[in-house]
Amino acid sequence: AQSVTQLDSQVPVFEEAPVELRCNYSSSVSVYLFWYVQYPNQGLQLLLKYLSGSTLVKGINGFEAEFNKSQTSFHLRKPSVHISDTAEYFCACGGTSYGKLTFGQGTILTVHP
Amino acid sequence: DADVTQTPRNRITKTGKRIMLECSQTKGHDRMYWYRQDPGLGLRLIYYSFDVKDINKGEISDGYSVSRQAQAKFSLSLESAIPNQTALYFCATSVQGGTEAFFGQGTRLTVV
Repeated sequence: AQSVTQLDSQVPVFEEAPVELRCNYSSSVSVYLFWYVQYPNQGLQLLLKYLSGSTLVKGINGFEAEFNKSQTSFHLRKPSVHISDTAEYFCACGGTSYGKLTFGQGTILTVHP
Repeated sequence: DADVTQTPRNRITKTGKRIMLECSQTKGHDRMYWYRQDPGLGLRLIYYSFDVKDINKGEISDGYSVSRQAQAKFSLSLESAIPNQTALYFCATSVQGGTEAFFGQGTRLTVV
């Protein structure tokens, strides 16, 4: 069984500040990890994914995440956020069927001017 | 045009009514999924299908049924809707050997 915990339900930040959205996972087998973003009234868009290899993964819109196997974490970071980054972010894990995902509860990122 | 299309986008229905949510895709993917999103709970898998003849229950299938009419179409039915099925529903697709899922725009369902 797999589970994903997003440690913060809401994260408010000011524009141009750095941000970290935290995600921990639990799995008895090797997992693949994903971050999705959901803008208001839209579907989910893939930000980045970790399948194997380098533990630092770079995604779209300047986001990156680091896979830490010992801490079972996959935190999402951005060094300088913009107003347009305001959205809900979901961490997810999956196995060999990449569409069969277990999602975290979501983190609402609000960027203030 | 969206690759994964859900209809309707919004629906209000009454308790006890039967309702069908539809999903179609032009990506040529063999695998399709239905998820439900509730505030504070993230997305949870309802049903998934790896091909037309393969249907599987997900984490929260009670009260739902599905039909895979063709490789490109996957419908979700609520036989007798109840208020706690009020949620945002997402269809997704993936392909065997691919490395990510692609989501539709969602259907917001309200059961009154």
